[in-house]
Amino acid sequence: DQQVKQNSPSLSVQEGRISILNCDYTNSMFDYFLWYKKYPAEGPTFLISISSIKDKNEDGRFTVFLNKSAKHLSLHIVPSQPGDSAVYFCAASALYNAGNMLTFGGGTRLMVKP
Amino acid sequence: KAGVTQTPRYLIKTRGQQVTLSCSPISGHRSVSWYQQTPGQGLQFLFEYFSETQRNKGNFPGRFSGRQFSNSRSEMNVSTLELGDSALYLCASSQTSGTSYEQYFGPGTRLTVT
Repeated sequence: DQQVKQNSPSLSVQEGRISILNCDYTNSMFDYFLWYKKYPAEGPTFLISISSIKDKNEDGRFTVFLNKSAKHLSLHIVPSQPGDSAVYFCAASALYNAGNMLTFGGGTRLMVKP
Repeated sequence: KAGVTQTPRYLIKTRGQQVTLSCSPISGHRSVSWYQQTPGQGLQFLFEYFSETQRNKGNFPGRFSGRQFSNSRSEMNVSTLELGDSALYLCASSQTSGTSYEQYFGPGTRLTVT
């Protein structure tokens, strides 16, 4: 069973506009969430994270929102730039794992058109 | 500071053989995690090593094993290779083991089993 889902396999956005990537999870034990970006032939790169005690975290052009009651998180990129074109993964972790185990979603390919 | 390095970057093996992949974490990082990425299953956690001890293990058969050395370098081994083991194997390092520490990924080893 997929505990973390990214239902949109791809997203196309115009440069300068907002990109919104969504992620849903089913395991209520997850309490820490991360977003990673991945370019071809490279490993994922950490973007931003959020703890379950918060509902928003901002870092420059990237903002992550967490809705615990809906078990939903989203990543907003404003403004979107062509260099943001990549595959974005959301990931979740649970304290009870007592380690660094991350459960990943299937990824969303973002294409930012100039 | 040098990033996470993985060797080899590409590998071709035949069914039934075994393979060993290597990961050197960022200097000072003591936790190393391994992930398998396939088109069908996405990114899946294999195991995590911290201070030479396995902390967590994902849902993979016993053919997949690993170890960590005193300098934090890690190896993973897959015995009796199957066609389905063809994947990108990623390792990630972090300063310590715990959900609030971001993980830094290497570029991966692309394993092809024929």
